[in-house]
Amino acid sequence: GNSVTQMEGPVTLSEEAFLTINCTYTATGYPSLFWYVQYPGEGLQLLLKATKADDKGSNKGFEATYRKETTSFHLEKGSVQVSDSAVYFCALSDPGFQKLVFGTGTRLLVSP
Amino acid sequence: KAGVTQTPRYLIKTRGQQVTLSCSPISGHRSVSWYQQTPGQGLQFLFEYFSETQRNKGNFPGRFSGRQFSNSRSEMNVSTLELGDSALYLCASSLAPAGGPYEQYFGPGTRLTVT
Repeated sequence: GNSVTQMEGPVTLSEEAFLTINCTYTATGYPSLFWYVQYPGEGLQLLLKATKADDKGSNKGFEATYRKETTSFHLEKGSVQVSDSAVYFCALSDPGFQKLVFGTGTRLLVSP
Repeated sequence: KAGVTQTPRYLIKTRGQQVTLSCSPISGHRSVSWYQQTPGQGLQFLFEYFSETQRNKGNFPGRFSGRQFSNSRSEMNVSTLELGDSALYLCASSLAPAGGPYEQYFGPGTRLTVT
C-alpha cells in the first residue's frame, strides 16, 4: 500500500537558518503530495501541495518539489523564524480519492 | 467564511461507553473526512462521507462508524470504548464533487480520553 516516510525529529535550528525536512513516498500510480503543519493545540493546515512530477509547491517561504525519479517531496525554507516552530506532516493522496496517507511528522524547534 | 468546527473539543469517557463526535464543514463543502491522531500510530484515515454516503473507509474496526446529514454535517460514533481509542479526532472538509484530491480543511479536533 501507499506510505510516506519522514525524517525523525525534532529538528532544532536557530532563527534564520536553512531548513530541510526530508520526505519520501511509496505509491502506485501518480499521487498528489502535500505538506501540512500543525501548531500546538490546533488542527492541520495545508502548507503546500504538488499534483504532478516536477511541480513545485510554495507558500510562506516554504517550497517542495515533486521528484518522481527519487519519489521525494522534501520541504525547504531559506530562513526559518521562531513562529515556524510546529510539527510538519508530509502526506499523499491517490488521484480521485480524498484519503490522505500521512508520514509520522517532524517537529521543528526554532530558537531566537 | 467560517472554518470547520468540531464539538466537543474535549471529552472524557469510561471504557465500555460509547461516544459521538460532531463536525460542521465549511459552508458549501460536501465532503467530510475523519482522521484519528495518536502518538503511537500517527494520523490515520477513518472514513469519508460525500452527500450522505460513505465514499471511502480506512482500516478500523466496526466499532467506529459515521454518518452525514443532508446539510453536510457529520458525526462519528465509537461504541464500546477501549483505552486505545484515546486520541485526537480530526475532521476535514472539502468541495470534492468527484475525482480529486481536493484541498482539505481541518478542524481543531476533539480530544477524547478514555479512562
